[in-house]
Amino acid sequence: QITLKESGPTLVKPTQTLTLTCTFSGLSLNTDGLGVGWIRQPPGKALEWLALIYWNEDKRYRPSLQSRLTITKDTSKNQVVLTMTSMDPVDTATYYCAPWVNDAFDIWGHGTLVTVSS
Amino acid sequence: QSVLTQPPSASGTPGQRVTISCSGSSSNIGNNYVYWYQQLPGTAPKLLIYRVNQRPSGVPDRFSGSKSGTSASLAISGLRSEDEADYYCAAWDDSVSGPVFGGGTKLTVL
Repeated sequence: QITLKESGPTLVKPTQTLTLTCTFSGLSLNTDGLGVGWIRQPPGKALEWLALIYWNEDKRYRPSLQSRLTITKDTSKNQVVLTMTSMDPVDTATYYCAPWVNDAFDIWGHGTLVTVSS
Repeated sequence: QSVLTQPPSASGTPGQRVTISCSGSSSNIGNNYVYWYQQLPGTAPKLLIYRVNQRPSGVPDRFSGSKSGTSASLAISGLRSEDEADYYCAAWDDSVSGPVFGGGTKLTVL
């Protein structure tokens, strides 16, 4: 059974850096073809892909946010970490992680709501 | 503004068949797989359809997907009250080297 859990601060101040951790079980980032990604959803708005990291360290970022995002993985800990710099109130959203399998984000975590406010 | 275009709302009565459209371009739907998500209120999205028309284990065959050119559709037959949710289409986009999503369609079961 695959499970994922997002963790990190629920409140960050403008200009601060956000660090989110996705801890998963039931899959391994040593598996050929597997990726893990981050997606966010501002309150009442649509889903927005942020970043994706593959088993072979290949990384992809949303072009409009690329300068602010860094995605890394720790295969031994079954974790993927996303950092986002220069946080702004418009970055307030629920942040999800999910494995990229069969050309889709498969099972999603419950998500973590991050509010950006002073 | 989302890269993929969906109608903001759709509705139907129990037992009806409804379809939700998703329009894109050659860089996404036209040349890549399409997938669909269902998001019930207050919950995380759930994968309904992948690779255009494949259903993950556990998804009822009332849900089906199709694609034609740069557009895709999700069909729900035998509509039930529990199908009331937001539905999102998505596809890999070659121009951004990543997945793009539609703006979502809120399905109401009357």
